[in-house]
Amino acid sequence: EDQVTQSPEALRLQEGESSSLNCSYTVSGLRGLFWYRQDPGKGPEFLFTLYSAGEEKEKERLKATLTKKESFLHITAPKPEDSATYLCAVVSQAGTALIFGKGTTLSVSS
Amino acid sequence: NAGVMQNPRHLVRRRGQEARLRCSPMKGHSHVYWYRQLPEEGLKFMVYLQKENIIDESGMPKERFSAEFPKEGPSILRIQQVVRGDSAAYFCASSPEGTNTEAFFGQGTRLTVV
Repeated sequence: EDQVTQSPEALRLQEGESSSLNCSYTVSGLRGLFWYRQDPGKGPEFLFTLYSAGEEKEKERLKATLTKKESFLHITAPKPEDSATYLCAVVSQAGTALIFGKGTTLSVSS
Repeated sequence: NAGVMQNPRHLVRRRGQEARLRCSPMKGHSHVYWYRQLPEEGLKFMVYLQKENIIDESGMPKERFSAEFPKEGPSILRIQQVVRGDSAAYFCASSPEGTNTEAFFGQGTRLTVV
């Protein structure tokens, strides 16, 4: 069964305190792994797509990496505006849907 | 390039009424997906459509729910005879090609059944 598990569920950081969010997945034949950011009351905002183990993508203070079993979203020197829920998703084995994890809610205080 | 447009943003229906949720994909996108989000449960896939075709509706309840993406006009998610358990945020996403390409989400429709 296709499955995505994110950890931790919630993370509190001080401004400037770097950390990583984890996304472990179970799917046969990975077709793509996606990271999204979601603010309260808003729709998910696309961040990254990763397709193969070893691939890395960066955007401002965020860097996403991928292995054969998990992905990490590294946040370097976060700012309060990085506070949001970060969602990880994989393409289902059938190739017709994104399977989402429950997300990690990040709070960054100044 | 306008993003994915969903309307209405908020919808209140009494039990037993019908709810119609609309989604206009991004320009140039012919693939549309509907997801439902309940508190503490995350985003759940409902249905995947291309113009005039339902590709996968395995995530949609078999009764009361239907979806379409006509040749002209927006995609419609229709819920008949709503019940309190249908209260949720419904998100539409679109992509230029299949599911292995970036999907962009709308701001959602928040349905409240009273």
